[in-house]
Amino acid sequence: GESVGLHLPTLSVQEGDNSIINCAYSNSASDYFIWYKQESGKGPQFIIDIRSNMDKRQGQRVTVLLNKTVKHLSLQIAATQPGDSAVYFCAERAHGGATNKLIFGTGTLLAVQP
Amino acid sequence: EPEVTQTPSHQVTQMGQEVILRCVPISNHLYFYWYRQILGQKVEFLVSFYNNEISEKSEIFDDQFSVERPDGSNFTLKIRSTKLEDSAMYFCASSQLNLAGGNEQFFGPGTRLTVL
Repeated sequence: GESVGLHLPTLSVQEGDNSIINCAYSNSASDYFIWYKQESGKGPQFIIDIRSNMDKRQGQRVTVLLNKTVKHLSLQIAATQPGDSAVYFCAERAHGGATNKLIFGTGTLLAVQP
Repeated sequence: EPEVTQTPSHQVTQMGQEVILRCVPISNHLYFYWYRQILGQKVEFLVSFYNNEISEKSEIFDDQFSVERPDGSNFTLKIRSTKLEDSAMYFCASSQLNLAGGNEQFFGPGTRLTVL
């Protein structure tokens, strides 16, 4: 089942530290994954994506790791900045290539302390 | 940088009333989507739209919901008879290609719908 509620998991980090945000996805047939950042009052903003034929992908200051064996996705943010404070969602494409539907995870609130 | 826009930013309505939420997707995009996010919960898929027809919809998207692309720029979501549980943030998104083509979905800022 899925757990939903008003209390998001929260990760609190010091400015300049590295952050690691984790996500467990539900469908072993999912073949495409995306991390989104959502700031207060705004829509989700694309950060980085990864296909299931990869286990790591790097962007600017961000790295996504995919472990298909345990259905786990992580987002690493290097040298975290106050502007990184937001809710981070992982999303998966359901059932593999025949759909555009994204299934979002619960989200993690990243709080960067100056 | 092109972006998805949505109007209004906040809509307050009485239960049973019809509402239309409006979106202007990015101009060269071909796929359009509506998602919603109830306060404190996950973003949920509602519907996808391509080539002037619905390509996929969720179980949330019942007969009370409809979508339309009335002209070359707007994409609308209509809720015919709103219920209290329709209160949520509604996000429009668009993508140039479908996910098989590897293109991400760009999200608008959302419309907060409050049903009283």
